[in-house]
Amino acid sequence: AQTIHQWPVAEIKAVGSPLSLGCTIKGKSSPNLYWYWQATGGTLQQLFYSITVGQVESVVQLNLSASRPKDDQFILSTEKLLLSHSGFYLCAWSLSSNTGQLYFGEGSKLTVL
Amino acid sequence: GDSVTQTEGQVALSEEDFLTIHCNYSASGYPALFWYVQYPGEGPQFLFRASRDKEKGSSRGFEATYDKGTTSFHLRKASVQESDSAVYYCALGDNTGNYKYVFGAGTRLKVIA
Repeated sequence: AQTIHQWPVAEIKAVGSPLSLGCTIKGKSSPNLYWYWQATGGTLQQLFYSITVGQVESVVQLNLSASRPKDDQFILSTEKLLLSHSGFYLCAWSLSSNTGQLYFGEGSKLTVL
Repeated sequence: GDSVTQTEGQVALSEEDFLTIHCNYSASGYPALFWYVQYPGEGPQFLFRASRDKEKGSSRGFEATYDKGTTSFHLRKASVQESDSAVYYCALGDNTGNYKYVFGAGTRLKVIA
């Protein structure tokens, strides 16, 4: 069975500090990977997607970057956090079809002060 | 760009009431349509999917029918339970090869026992 693990579960960070969030998928070879951001009480906004190692496409600019260093790993990062980065970050995977269902992780809650 | 509109921001029902959450979409081409459910502090869970006109998706007593003519995918359930209380998201998957999924604003369902 496939599993998706996100880390950390929660972070409290200062404005201007760096951030790294991670996501690992086990049990599925070459998945499509996605990062979503969700403001408190808000909808899900797609940030990035990746269909292969080393290739990441940006969907919306939020002063964040993403990388896929390994087939099963997806990293979201920034060197300088803004207050507007607060929210819930969700990693997801799908099968190779570009209209397959998304399987979401449990999310990482980020609070920027 | 593609968009998904959920008419109801919040819905309050009593147990055994009939549920309808309206979802309309705007997209070029022929998108796949999805319903997801999200419980507090968790990532969204896939409910079901439909990918062609008149196709019905269903799961856990929920159902929706893809209607290309009215560009709709309304969620229905005949008899809700308190355990159905959650946020429901309608989403579309762009099938033009860009791996983008657009979510609606979400509908918060509260079912009172």
